[in-house]
Amino acid sequence: NAGVMQNPRHLVRRRGQEARLRCSPMKGHSHVYWYRQLPEEGLKFMVYLQKENIIDESGMPKERFSAEFPKEGPSILRIQQVVRGDSAAYFCASSPTDQPQHFGDGTRLSIL
Amino acid sequence: GQQLNQSPQSMFIQEGEDVSMNCTSSSIFNTWLWYKQDPGEGPVLLIALYKAGELTSNGRLTAQFGITRKDSFLNISASIPSDVGIYFCAGIYTGANSKLTFGKGITLSVRP
Repeated sequence: NAGVMQNPRHLVRRRGQEARLRCSPMKGHSHVYWYRQLPEEGLKFMVYLQKENIIDESGMPKERFSAEFPKEGPSILRIQQVVRGDSAAYFCASSPTDQPQHFGDGTRLSIL
Repeated sequence: GQQLNQSPQSMFIQEGEDVSMNCTSSSIFNTWLWYKQDPGEGPVLLIALYKAGELTSNGRLTAQFGITRKDSFLNISASIPSDVGIYFCAGIYTGANSKLTFGKGITLSVRP
């Protein structure tokens, strides 16, 4: 039983480039959540999706950030025109209903 | 926004000792979860609590959902070196649409 799979594990981008982070939920899980973690901080909610629907994006910046969870394939968190402040660990979680959430090992994004 | 308070930031104990961690909020939470995070990895779910007063165990770990619904504690008994890590409490408050609010975490060190 594979857990939540995120890739890449590490991503380096230059300012102004685009970052695409992928998340494959656990088998049978139709709810996906994205969180962001800064060093020595807890995780901060960004967006909650079900298949083809964004349920809650209240934690996601209005500009440059977008998320999708298509009918087929992984969920994608996309950050356009990255800036230094986007450097963080981005975690995806999935659940079969609304709880409990199981997390992947994250993507560490570094902006040069 | 809603906040979960965890303190102290770090705890140091001797192998074999018991340790208790508390998590408090000024708001009512409907669900409490405890996660452990190791460096470079994602949070791993330890215990989930869904009812006020609920007491749940998972091996050497015991957690309780406070009667007031504004706090939870996690106990680790007979600590071992592999208990080292960061322990996060997380919760869902009323109307939060399944998104988790995290505390800042407590870093536990265990001296052999």
